[in-house]
Amino acid sequence: AQKVTQAQTEISVVEKEDVTLDCVYETRDTTYYLFWYKQPPSGELVFLIRRNSFDEQNEISGRYSWNFQKSTSSFNFTITASQVVDSAVYFCALSEAFVGANNLFFGTGTRLTVIP
Amino acid sequence: DGGITQSPKYLFRKEGQNVTLSCEQNLNHDAMYWYRQDPGQGLRLIYYSQIVNDFQKGDIAEGYSVSREKKESFPLTVTSAQKNPTAFYLCASSSITGNQPQHFGDGTRLSIL
Repeated sequence: AQKVTQAQTEISVVEKEDVTLDCVYETRDTTYYLFWYKQPPSGELVFLIRRNSFDEQNEISGRYSWNFQKSTSSFNFTITASQVVDSAVYFCALSEAFVGANNLFFGTGTRLTVIP
Repeated sequence: DGGITQSPKYLFRKEGQNVTLSCEQNLNHDAMYWYRQDPGQGLRLIYYSQIVNDFQKGDIAEGYSVSREKKESFPLTVTSAQKNPTAFYLCASSSITGNQPQHFGDGTRLSIL
């Protein structure tokens, strides 16, 4: 069975600090996909990144970076030099490799508050 | 602009009443999904559909029903059988090839009167 654990329920940082959001997953599949989504106060989920299980290269996009380690089943997300606009709930999610509709298994989310 | 439109933004239900949440997409996506979000919890899948006139139950389908008569539309009905309907409902859509990311609407917040 698939499971995603985001142990950090809430994190507060002061603006310009770096912050890492943890994500640990469980799956029996050898091929799977991992995602991060951002949910700002307005409610919609905004897609940030998708990573497949064969690609362990870390990725950087501006102030965002992601560290994928299959050995520890983790897919952590780091925000460098945080800004107030980064305040949101962040969800990590997992899906099996599938042709067709891909069911996402979500973690419970981490609420990040960036204090000016 | 391409995207997903959910309506209404807020909805109130009386006891014993069925209510329908609307979801429309113009992204030409084949797959559509409905999720429920409760405070402090992740999203849980209610129903999904890969093609017109076909849909599958998710993890928490009891008390809900859907239809998919058009590719663009995937309405969700919260029936009176759903005893705890107060939640935030999110609709999403995606391509069905290569585990493409799902795109989400702005959500509908349902409350009980």
